[in-house]
Amino acid sequence: GAVVSQHPSWVICKSGTSVKIECRSLDFQATTMFWYRQFPKQSLMLMATSNEGSKATYEQGVEKDKFLINHASLTLSTLTVTSAHPEDSSFYICSATRADTDYNEQFFGPGTRLTVL
Amino acid sequence: GQNIDQPTEMTATEGAIVQINCTYQTSGFNGLFWYQQHAGEAPTFLSYNVLDGLEEKGRFSSFLSRSKGYSYLLLKELQMKDSASYLCAVSNSNYQLIWGAGTKLIIKP
Repeated sequence: GAVVSQHPSWVICKSGTSVKIECRSLDFQATTMFWYRQFPKQSLMLMATSNEGSKATYEQGVEKDKFLINHASLTLSTLTVTSAHPEDSSFYICSATRADTDYNEQFFGPGTRLTVL
Repeated sequence: GQNIDQPTEMTATEGAIVQINCTYQTSGFNGLFWYQQHAGEAPTFLSYNVLDGLEEKGRFSSFLSRSKGYSYLLLKELQMKDSASYLCAVSNSNYQLIWGAGTKLIIKP
């Protein structure tokens, strides 16, 4: 299998606080991990791409100082939303690719719903 | 620019067949994916096409024409549980996935 987990599955926080979301590949080593954000009734928006041991590559318009990504190992990446505000409320989804698939398929975590009050 | 176009919403009847179209313009092409996403959940993989033609997998089939920048997902013998959004995504020359906005499929009894 290729299972990706995320923790927490949902979080409610006060404006101005920071929130950390973990993404783990449970039964494989992930060559690359991706972080997406999805607002209601909209498509997935890629925020950043990360590889273990190197700095994440952020998409245009995504503030790297606000959305901190750490990819410490081949099975764990974290996204920290710093000084969260209500407009950061969204569904955050991570995905991972593994080296031994035929077509670079992305395996998705279950998502984390963030609500900032 | 790069863009993926698919209808916003479609309605079909239980037991029937529905075809969801996707057209794309991307910088390079390394395959096209279809994912299913139920409300409030993450996407799950349905199919992958990199060569022209039809790929069949049970009740679901996916077709690709690279020269036309076109794909469709065909769902047969529709069931109520097929009510979901269907996302078309293209892997470009950098192996980045470019996502369509998704087609919300509503199944009626």
